[in-house]
Amino acid sequence: GDSVTQMEGPVTLSEEAFLTINCTYTATGYPSLFWYVQYPGEGLQLLLKATKADDKGSNKGFEATYRKETTSFHLEKGSVQVSDSAVYFCALSVGGYNKLIFGAGTRLAVHP
Amino acid sequence: EAQVTQNPRYLITVTGKKLTVTCSQNMNHEYMSWYRQDPGLGLRQIYYSMNVEVTDKGDVPEGYKVSRKEKRNFPLILESPSPNQTSLYFCASSPGLAGLRIYEQFFGPGTRLTVL
Repeated sequence: GDSVTQMEGPVTLSEEAFLTINCTYTATGYPSLFWYVQYPGEGLQLLLKATKADDKGSNKGFEATYRKETTSFHLEKGSVQVSDSAVYFCALSVGGYNKLIFGAGTRLAVHP
Repeated sequence: EAQVTQNPRYLITVTGKKLTVTCSQNMNHEYMSWYRQDPGLGLRQIYYSMNVEVTDKGDVPEGYKVSRKEKRNFPLILESPSPNQTSLYFCASSPGLAGLRIYEQFFGPGTRLTVL
């Protein structure tokens, strides 16, 4: 079945470091791909999305490119801030199905 | 303010005592869904509703019921809660389908449920 695999956390970085969180997927159709972020005590918020191969989603300095050949959607940011500390979820949706399939989440902790 | 609200935010209950978690959205969204979040498993869909009076099972529906009598509300009902339903629950809504692509889902703040 369809699934999403994320790198395990926690990821601990110093402020201004480069961030990569790996995400790969398995899907039978042509998925849309998403990154959601969950700040402490809050619900999930959409961070960025890509709906077809080679699309690049970007928001708040974060980027991810839909790579069909490697079935990947890695999240990157050039210079993280303490305020980026959160749990990041990679997710996909396929065709007409009305659900998101989530990865397990990766906790990011950024220290000053 | 456009939002999804859930109540209660925190609930501690005992095995077998029926409970309802309410969910309401003010964005006139067609689609609503319930997820549960468990460590190491991410979020898993419990039930979803594509419109009023239309609901269907997600991946983990056992032990849960839902209803969609009004467009804005989508309550989650646990008729006889058990300890394995201790979890963090999220309600979400979205405008609906556009062709074959799903819109962004908007999440509520979550309900932390503990069943003793």
